[in-house]
Amino acid sequence: GDSVTQMEGPVTLSEEAFLTINCTYTATGYPSLFWYVQYPGEGLQLLLKATKADDKGSNKGFEATYRKETTSFHLEKGSVQVSDSAVYFCALKPGGTSYGKLTFGQGTILTVHP
Amino acid sequence: GAGVSQSPSNKVTEKGKDVELRCDPISGHTALYWYRQSLGQGLEFLIYFQGNSAPDKSGLPSDRFSAERTGGSVSTLTIQRTQQEDSAVYLCASSLQGAQRGEQYFGPGTRLTVT
Repeated sequence: GDSVTQMEGPVTLSEEAFLTINCTYTATGYPSLFWYVQYPGEGLQLLLKATKADDKGSNKGFEATYRKETTSFHLEKGSVQVSDSAVYFCALKPGGTSYGKLTFGQGTILTVHP
Repeated sequence: GAGVSQSPSNKVTEKGKDVELRCDPISGHTALYWYRQSLGQGLEFLIYFQGNSAPDKSGLPSDRFSAERTGGSVSTLTIQRTQQEDSAVYLCASSLQGAQRGEQYFGPGTRLTVT
């Protein structure tokens, strides 16, 4: 079945450092890929998405590129802020489905220090 | 406008008791999903509703779990004879449509603790 694997955390960075959170997936066909973020005490929010190979999703300075050849969707940000401290989830939605059943990775806890 | 709301926010129950968790989706959203977030299993899909029907119940872990949706709006997830392994955060999400691009909006979750 479909699966998503994220790099293990937690990740601790200083403000303005470069961030990469790795995500790889296993799926048949052409899934859509997502990054969700969960800030402390809040619900999951969609951060960015990509629906086909080579698409780049971006939002709030975060980027991720859908790489079908490496089945990856790594999340990057050039300069993190304290306010980026949160849990980040990579997820996929199978291709060819008419509804949005999501398969999530385990989540990566990011802590950014001033 | 109002987002997805869930109640209660926290629920502590004794093993063997039944619990009901409620989800109020965003008004007009026809698709509704339940997920479970637990330490051991991460975030798992439980069930999908389109309107009042549930075409995908494949994630419900056992027959102790059931869910319904009435009036195309509120949904209730019921867990009978709760077990300690049921302890988790139960998340509800809704989207404008069941179609591929409908973004899912998540509620804050209900934290269930079975003692």
